[in-house]
Amino acid sequence: EAGVVQSPRYKIIEKKQPVAFWCNPISGHNTLYWYRQNLGQGPELLIRYENEEAVDDSQLPKDRFSAERLKGVDSTLKIQPAELGDSAVYLCASSSGTSTAETQYFGPGTRLLVL
Amino acid sequence: AQSVAQPEDQVNVAEGNPLTVKCTYSVSGNPYLFWYVQYPNRGLQFLLKYITGDNLVKGSYGFEAEFNKSQTSFHLKKPSALVSDSALYFCAVRDPVRESARQLTFGSGTQLTVLP
Repeated sequence: EAGVVQSPRYKIIEKKQPVAFWCNPISGHNTLYWYRQNLGQGPELLIRYENEEAVDDSQLPKDRFSAERLKGVDSTLKIQPAELGDSAVYLCASSSGTSTAETQYFGPGTRLLVL
Repeated sequence: AQSVAQPEDQVNVAEGNPLTVKCTYSVSGNPYLFWYVQYPNRGLQFLLKYITGDNLVKGSYGFEAEFNKSQTSFHLKKPSALVSDSALYFCAVRDPVRESARQLTFGSGTQLTVLP
């Protein structure tokens, strides 16, 4: 079974430029998460989808960040414009159900460097 | 609010010796607890979780963790460390009472180095 797929793996951009990250969850997983992991820290949730609905986006900086999950499968996270402080690893995770006991499975992440 | 503390940034252990990576938590109710491992330039890999039942949970690669409610701890253990166990380990907690949140809160991570 394929795991969570993310692309690109690495991205270097200049500040004020836009950037987008793509995630394909494990087949059949209805719940999808985007996390941001700063250097030396644990991941922090940005947004959670159940199917195509964003059910928790309270920690997404909505002035510059946006996300979508059309058709309830793949998802895209966008930053426009990027700032120096956005440099981090962006992780996508998925889980198969809606129970809080469900395990989240993570992709390899996209490492973003904003210059 | 839920929180997790990993008091040690770095743990060094000799190969073949037992290892312990510490984790303490704070939630309003009974917690769901998770351990993940992260290798360089890789995503987080699930090791084990405690939901309910037996306080000793066994997971992947010979790891286990013991839930201790009185000490609000969930330490990760392995009887005999391998050099390949060297990685960054994260403890995470979820408060099942707060259904609307369903957020996994992670600790800051502990870098485990197993010395040959």
